[in-house]
Amino acid sequence: DTAVSQTPKYLVTQMGNDKSIKCEQNLGHDTMYWYKQDSKKFLKIMFSYNNKELIINETVPNRFSPKSPDKAHLNLHINSLELGDSAVYFCASSQRTGINEQYFGPGTRLTVT
Amino acid sequence: AQSVTQLGSHVSVSEGALVLLRCNYSSSVPPYLFWYVQYPNQGLQLLLKYTTGATLVKGINGFEAEFKKSETSFHLTKPSAHMSDAAEYFCAVTASTGNMLTFGGGTRLMVKP
Repeated sequence: DTAVSQTPKYLVTQMGNDKSIKCEQNLGHDTMYWYKQDSKKFLKIMFSYNNKELIINETVPNRFSPKSPDKAHLNLHINSLELGDSAVYFCASSQRTGINEQYFGPGTRLTVT
Repeated sequence: AQSVTQLGSHVSVSEGALVLLRCNYSSSVPPYLFWYVQYPNQGLQLLLKYTTGATLVKGINGFEAEFKKSETSFHLTKPSAHMSDAAEYFCAVTASTGNMLTFGGGTRLMVKP
């Protein structure tokens, strides 16, 4: 069974469109995250979400909005896509208490043309 | 705030040789340190982590790392490289209540036959 899954795996879209990436974890974790990996492999945290508490990385544009229908899901919605949004987006999850290992999904490669 | 520097974006070793991947961190509070591995077109997998206690940490696949506070380092080593070790390796640090990881720029390990 896949611990952290993401859909779709690949997403190609045009500038200005709105798109969503879905993430689900079956580990029973309380905390979920979104990371962005750019073309140079640099990974950067975007959001941390725990029990309705959202911690936002202040450098993330407000075109990006995480949505969590329940603690097993954390979706990423992106409005008005720009060329610079092209990247691989990773979802992750961990136990809430303490400093815990994060389990990563396989990633979603977003290409904006 | 935390930061991580990985010296050497590319490291090449021969099969059977010692692997040494360097990581230096900056943190204003006691850090928690991680090494993750990313195989091509996959998500990140935890190799090992340091939270508290013993400064020499052993991980999966024969890897280990030593936390040296005086040098602010957390270098990753493996005595004998295998072809299957070829991947991207990321050092990460966290000290925040949100458990959000700050990653280094990554080191691509290449293993020559």
